[in-house]
Amino acid sequence: GAGVSQSPSNKVTEKGKDVELRCDPISGHTALYWYRQRLGQGLEFLIYFQGNSAPDKSGLPSDRFSAERTGESVSTLTIQRTQQEDSAVYLCASSLAYGRGAYEQYFGPGTRLTVT
Amino acid sequence: AQTVTQSQPEMSVQEAETVTLSCTYDTSESNYYLFWYKQPPSRQMILVIRQEAYKQQNATENRFSVNFQKAAKSFSLKISDSQLGDTAMYFCAFITTQGGSEKLVFGKGTKLTVNP
Repeated sequence: GAGVSQSPSNKVTEKGKDVELRCDPISGHTALYWYRQRLGQGLEFLIYFQGNSAPDKSGLPSDRFSAERTGESVSTLTIQRTQQEDSAVYLCASSLAYGRGAYEQYFGPGTRLTVT
Repeated sequence: AQTVTQSQPEMSVQEAETVTLSCTYDTSESNYYLFWYKQPPSRQMILVIRQEAYKQQNATENRFSVNFQKAAKSFSLKISDSQLGDTAMYFCAFITTQGGSEKLVFGKGTKLTVNP
């Protein structure tokens, strides 16, 4: 079946502009995650959605970052007033359920964001 | 603090030989999962192997195996019979469930190059 998809693949934007990144999880996956990967670094957790529960936003670096998820489908990550330090690859992952790691997280190919 | 340390930023190995990537972690949780992910230049994160912390037996997946030392909080990855396609970034990670959600905590990665 189809994997996790993300769009756009690459995004170049000017400092101060808003951007919206999209993630389509695997159908039937109730859990969805956003991570950020800066150049040469590991992934940093941003936000977690699980079903209808309140999302865990503890990883969002500032109030310029927000994310939404419609039911158990598409999610969008919005960055307002982008800064150069926001340049990174943004990765989305989904998993079948909350399971303390018992369920594999499947990753999308990421969106490379460049802020000029 | 929940941290993962990969002390080898880069490694290289000759095709068909064996290489071991190191990882140590710190967590206060008693039960958790540990992971090794592979990220080739395509950016796609691929799960290589998973270990449940309460299982003493080391996980194996074909040419990939781990040496899990729970008391030492060490989780190394051994790749046997290295192949050119193993060239990638390798990330060690564990699941934390603090805050009621679950998220992966990643190390900074080891860049592995397999030479012909």
